[in-house]
Amino acid sequence: DIQMTQSPSSLSASVGDRVTITCQASQDIRNYLNWYQQKPGKAPKLLIYDASNLERGVPSRFSGSGSGTHFTFTISSLQPEDIATYYCQQYQNYPVFGQGTKLEI
Amino acid sequence: EERLLDSGGDLVQPGGSLRLACVASGFTVSPYAMSWVRQAPGKGLEWVSSISGSGGRAYHADSVKGRFSISRDNSKNTLFLQMNSLRAEDTAVYYCARVREPDATTYFDLWGQGTLVTVSS
Repeated sequence: DIQMTQSPSSLSASVGDRVTITCQASQDIRNYLNWYQQKPGKAPKLLIYDASNLERGVPSRFSGSGSGTHFTFTISSLQPEDIATYYCQQYQNYPVFGQGTKLEI
Repeated sequence: EERLLDSGGDLVQPGGSLRLACVASGFTVSPYAMSWVRQAPGKGLEWVSSISGSGGRAYHADSVKGRFSISRDNSKNTLFLQMNSLRAEDTAVYYCARVREPDATTYFDLWGQGTLVTVSS
């Protein structure tokens, strides 16, 4: 089974900061990697699909990159409404989520 | 507006059964694979099951294989999850989610609000 290692598990940043989260796959998953945002008490929301494609309606301050086993998710300028937990998810075979990164201000 | 409405969550005893439903509105489900994803209290996301757009192929996580069964009724724009032999570790919020592909589970682009399943005596 493919394992996903997401880091850090939690992160504290200030408004306007550049924030980066990484996700490492245990084997090559090409670009089969997505990123979600989940706010407390709410369902997850798709932000990035296929490693680097911005979902429609998602602000351009969110971006993703990487391929193979190493992936990066970036918020270019943190906004107060970005406080949430972020998850990566691979789909090389069956979907597997990373452990999540809780982002705080 | 495209929406998914989950329902059916309840308190059930270990070994019991429950059937979840997810009704779609604002779009037709038949072109899409559909899935269930769960989240235990205070924990991360876990994929549970997926079904192809036609309903011809279904997949389940090892943790629920043989106990859970996913199905769909495209004429009613509805997805189901039959849960049998429930265990305490199945306690979670269950989300239905749309997959932007007909036959493969790639990414989940629309989610229901979630329904809580609690397994406890």
